[in-house]
Amino acid sequence: EDKVVQSPLSLVVHEGDTVTLNCSYEVTNFRSLLWYKQEKKAPTFLFMLTSSGIEKKSGRLSSILDKKELFSILNITATQTGDSAVYLCAGGYNFNKFYFGSGTKLNVKP
Amino acid sequence: EAQVTQNPRYLITVTGKKLTVTCSQNMNHEYMSWYRQDPGLGLRQIYYSMNVEVTDKGDVPEGYKVSRKEKRNFPLILESPSPNQTSLYFCASRVGTAYNEQFFGPGTRLTVL
Repeated sequence: EDKVVQSPLSLVVHEGDTVTLNCSYEVTNFRSLLWYKQEKKAPTFLFMLTSSGIEKKSGRLSSILDKKELFSILNITATQTGDSAVYLCAGGYNFNKFYFGSGTKLNVKP
Repeated sequence: EAQVTQNPRYLITVTGKKLTVTCSQNMNHEYMSWYRQDPGLGLRQIYYSMNVEVTDKGDVPEGYKVSRKEKRNFPLILESPSPNQTSLYFCASRVGTAYNEQFFGPGTRLTVL
């Protein structure tokens, strides 16, 4: 059965902290790993990873994929209150069918 | 403005009364998809469409139908809604090329009594 598991389920940090969110996957015919940020609305795209070991960065956020160990991490450095959200990862089957994890809820306190 | 729109945004209905949730995108995207989101379960894919007249099942297609007669529209049909279909529904689209992000609509909150 295809599945994606995220950990931790929730996390509380203070502004300025660095956090690491984890995503492990078991997806048949895996092709891509996606990260989304969801506040009280629709998810917004962060990263798409297809190659193992290549880090993608966008400002304070970065992500890397390990296709051998079947996991990805999302790092957020110097967290801000605006980073508070649910972070979702998804494993893509053939680029068309996606399995999402249940998300990590991040709460950044001032 | 490039966007995915869904209607209605909120709907309360009763068991067995057929309903349609519309989804439209103005970005000329080939690929469109429907998801439902439930607490603790994350997003689960219902159906997706690679292009006009091409649709396929996602992870949880039971109880749903879709059609793709035009490129811009991808309606979700519940022929006989049941309370377990109470959920938050998202439509998404992307350019057909595999390496592009999905753009999500604002969501439709459906309650089936």
